[in-house]
Amino acid sequence: DAGITQSPRHKVTETGTPVTLRCHQTENHRYMYWYRQDPGHGLRLIHYSYGVKDTDKGEVSDGYSVSRSKTEDFLLTLESATSSQTSVYFCAISESVGANYGYTFGSGTRLTVV
Amino acid sequence: AQTVTQSQPEMSVQEAETVTLSCTYDTSESDYYLFWYKQPPSRQMILVIRQEAYKQQNATENRFSVNFQKAAKSFSLKISDSQLGDAAMYFCAYRSARGKLTFGQGTILTVHP
Repeated sequence: DAGITQSPRHKVTETGTPVTLRCHQTENHRYMYWYRQDPGHGLRLIHYSYGVKDTDKGEVSDGYSVSRSKTEDFLLTLESATSSQTSVYFCAISESVGANYGYTFGSGTRLTVV
Repeated sequence: AQTVTQSQPEMSVQEAETVTLSCTYDTSESDYYLFWYKQPPSRQMILVIRQEAYKQQNATENRFSVNFQKAAKSFSLKISDSQLGDAAMYFCAYRSARGKLTFGQGTILTVHP
């Protein structure tokens, strides 16, 4: 969708190096999410944000950190990448939490850690 | 913590037939929302249908309907008159009142002509 952009789209990195993935939105939505998708596991929540500088952990947050210093950007950092973090990463945004408020997903970032 | 379980890794259906995808969830909250998303090979996430927990009436969107059993914590998706374009991965998702969205493991749906 035009309102949400993930960068980079693809990345190959070496074990032990830091990696930062960026999610940028132009919708001024309050909620932003980072997920990873792996075969057999669906989408698993890493971290999410419910406002600037307000973040919370998801079910697979170990090894990941996030930052949200402004509404439009939500950064996901792998401090020291490991092969188990090879995955497709999705960002999502939502204006609010009611059922009438849906989610917009980014196109995903395919990260390979070698 | 909320969990969402989809017990069917794969399902198949003949074109024009009906198929039901299962989803159960575990929560201690009373106010929440449930969703079904479709993910075709393009990886795009497409909202299929949504349900508010406080509504007893099952949601319907054209050929898609849900069977929401709140006491049983069950939220199944029924696809009627299946079409080839329905083939995709389907995810059940739970959103808490605080905004945390949790997905199930997904069900791959194959539609046979």
